[in-house]
Amino acid sequence: DTAVSQTPKYLVTQMGNDKSIKCEQNLGHDTMYWYKQDSKKFLKIMFSYNNKELIINETVPNRFSPKSPDKAHLNLHINSLELGDSAVYFCASSQEVGGVHFGPGTRLTVT
Amino acid sequence: DAKTTQPPSMDCAEGRAANLPCNHSTISGNEYVYWYRQIHSQGPQYIIHGLKNNETNEMASLIITEDRKSSTLILPHATLRDTAVYYCIVRVVSGATNKLIFGTGTLLAVQP
Repeated sequence: DTAVSQTPKYLVTQMGNDKSIKCEQNLGHDTMYWYKQDSKKFLKIMFSYNNKELIINETVPNRFSPKSPDKAHLNLHINSLELGDSAVYFCASSQEVGGVHFGPGTRLTVT
Repeated sequence: DAKTTQPPSMDCAEGRAANLPCNHSTISGNEYVYWYRQIHSQGPQYIIHGLKNNETNEMASLIITEDRKSSTLILPHATLRDTAVYYCIVRVVSGATNKLIFGTGTLLAVQP
C-alpha cells in the first residue's frame, strides 16, 4: 500500500538524452510536488501542482517539464540531460495543513 | 517563511529520550512548526507539526515555547532506526501550496 510511488528507482543515462520519471499517489491529495536533492544533500522544491494546475515553478530550467494527467499523477520529463542534473528526485503530495508525504526517490545519474 | 537554526549533529543512547532543539526566532503568528526526518537514501518522512500548543503523536512529541521562538522534538525512547537527519521547518499554511524550505537539519546518531 505505497502512498507515494515513483518509477524508476534508479536511472542511468547519457548526456543529451530525454528521460521521464513517473509519480503516483493513492492518498487522495490535491497537491503534488517534485523536489530535488543534490550531492550536498540539500532538498529543494522544483514544482507544485494543485488539482492538475501548476502552482509553483522554482526557476527550474525549461528542460524540465512536469505533467499532471490527473490529480493522482505528476510526471517529470527532462530534455537534453546534463551532468548537473544528476541528483535524487523526490515526488510528494499533501493536503493543506497536514504533512507532506514523500516518495522513495529516483536516483538519476547522467554520464 | 521564517528561518530555523538547528545543531548540525547530536548523539543519543538507545532507549533514552532524544531531544532535538530548533530556534525560529523570526516566526510569524500564522506560521506552523513542522518536523521531518530523512533516513539515509529514503524520502523525507513527516513526523509532527504544531502552531502554539504542544503536540504528541505515535512517533514523537513537539514542545513549542510560549513565545514560539523555539521548539523541541522529543523521541521518547530512541532506537537505532531513529538515526536520521531531522529537519525543523516553519511555514505558513496557505491553501493550495505546501512549500517546504529545508535547511541542513540535525544528524541524530543513536548509539547502541
